Amino acid sequence: ETGVTQSPTHLIKTRGQQVTLRCSSQSGHNTVSWYQQALGQGPQFIFQYYREEENGRGNFPPRFSGLQFPNYSSELNVNALELDDSALYLCASSFKGGYGYTFGSGTRLTVV
Amino acid sequence: KQEVTQIPAALSVPEGENLVLNCSFTDSAIYNLQWFRQDPGKGLTSLLLIQSSQREQTSGRLNASLDKSSGRSTLYIAASQPGDSATYLCAVRPGFGNEKLTFGTGTRLTIIP
Repeated sequence: ETGVTQSPTHLIKTRGQQVTLRCSSQSGHNTVSWYQQALGQGPQFIFQYYREEENGRGNFPPRFSGLQFPNYSSELNVNALELDDSALYLCASSFKGGYGYTFGSGTRLTVV
Repeated sequence: KQEVTQIPAALSVPEGENLVLNCSFTDSAIYNLQWFRQDPGKGLTSLLLIQSSQREQTSGRLNASLDKSSGRSTLYIAASQPGDSATYLCAVRPGFGNEKLTFGTGTRLTIIP
């Protein structure tokens, strides 16, 4: 049974640029959620994807967008990067209607 | 709006001691509560999950309790070890089919050898 894999592990971008983060879900899971964790804070829910559609969104602007693919992997796209977007981005997979979550190791994004 | 609080923000204890971490939440209408461990700069590792109908869950030296009516959960760690040093986060899930988790800000635990 494979876990959740995220890529890349670290990324440095310039303000105003665009970034794409990737996540492969755990085998048997069909739902992917993305979280943003600023330094010293708990993770904040960005959005969730189920059956390739957004299925819930937190308090994040539209420049945060995502995709889910038929194999349940997912991408998080952030446009017009701002300094405050610097954070650890976590992906979690789960089975819709199930109980628990499996988190990936995260992507550390630094915006300069 | 659900709010989750973890107190204390940081805790240091000598190796071998038993300890309790606290988590409180404002809306008692939860589906379940999960405790996670996070090592510096790393992702989250699930430790224990308690369904709303349960009172506690145990795994090895860890025991988590849930009092939904009072909006509280505790994570008890027995015979602490230096390897237990990490940040511990609790998260609540609002309902069946709603996968959104609301996290606390965590307790940073340091076990002193």
